Amino acid sequence: AQKITQTQPGMFVQEKEAVTLDCTYDTSDQSYGLFWYKQPSSGEMIFLIYQGSYDEQNATEGRYSLNFQKARKSANLVISASQLGDSAMYFCAMRDLTGANSKLTFGKGITLSVRP
Amino acid sequence: KAGVTQTPRYLIKTRGQQVTLSCSPISGHRSVSWYQQTPGQGLQFLFEYFSETQRNKGNFPGRFSGRQFSNSRSEMNVSTLELGDSALYLCASTLMSSSEAFFGQGTRLTVV
Repeated sequence: AQKITQTQPGMFVQEKEAVTLDCTYDTSDQSYGLFWYKQPSSGEMIFLIYQGSYDEQNATEGRYSLNFQKARKSANLVISASQLGDSAMYFCAMRDLTGANSKLTFGKGITLSVRP
Repeated sequence: KAGVTQTPRYLIKTRGQQVTLSCSPISGHRSVSWYQQTPGQGLQFLFEYFSETQRNKGNFPGRFSGRQFSNSRSEMNVSTLELGDSALYLCASTLMSSSEAFFGQGTRLTVV
């Protein structure tokens, strides 16, 4: 079974500063993928970044980077140069890549508020 | 390229009624998954369809069902609605299992 843990309460960051959102996971799968999604108040889930369990380098996508520490089973999201539009819920998710399925297991999410 | 389209966006139903939600995936995506999001339980996987076949199913009662058509459009149905079924229902389409899922804007269902 897969489990994603996001324990941070609401996070606050000053505009233009960097912020790290924590995510730890537990799985017995040998091959898995880790995802981060952003959910603004409108409700749509927006894909941010992906890390495969066998990827040796940490993933980066523009202002987003994923700090992947496999031994510690953590996949923290780093947002650099925060913008007001980054205020939203952020979800960490994972998927087993060994089977033919697209099921995602999500954490509870973290609320991020960017202050001007 | 059009994104994932879910209809309707909002629904209000009465306990005991049934409801059908629709999802049109991104063109070329054959996998469609459904999720239920509530404040208490968070995001929970309902089921996944691939090429008109249910490939995976979450831990939900039989009142929740779905299907997929030959054009990959999917519908989910909830029968005998309960107050606890009030939630945001999200649909996601995926090109392959190793790629990201793209979500629609969701259908917000309120059961009164």
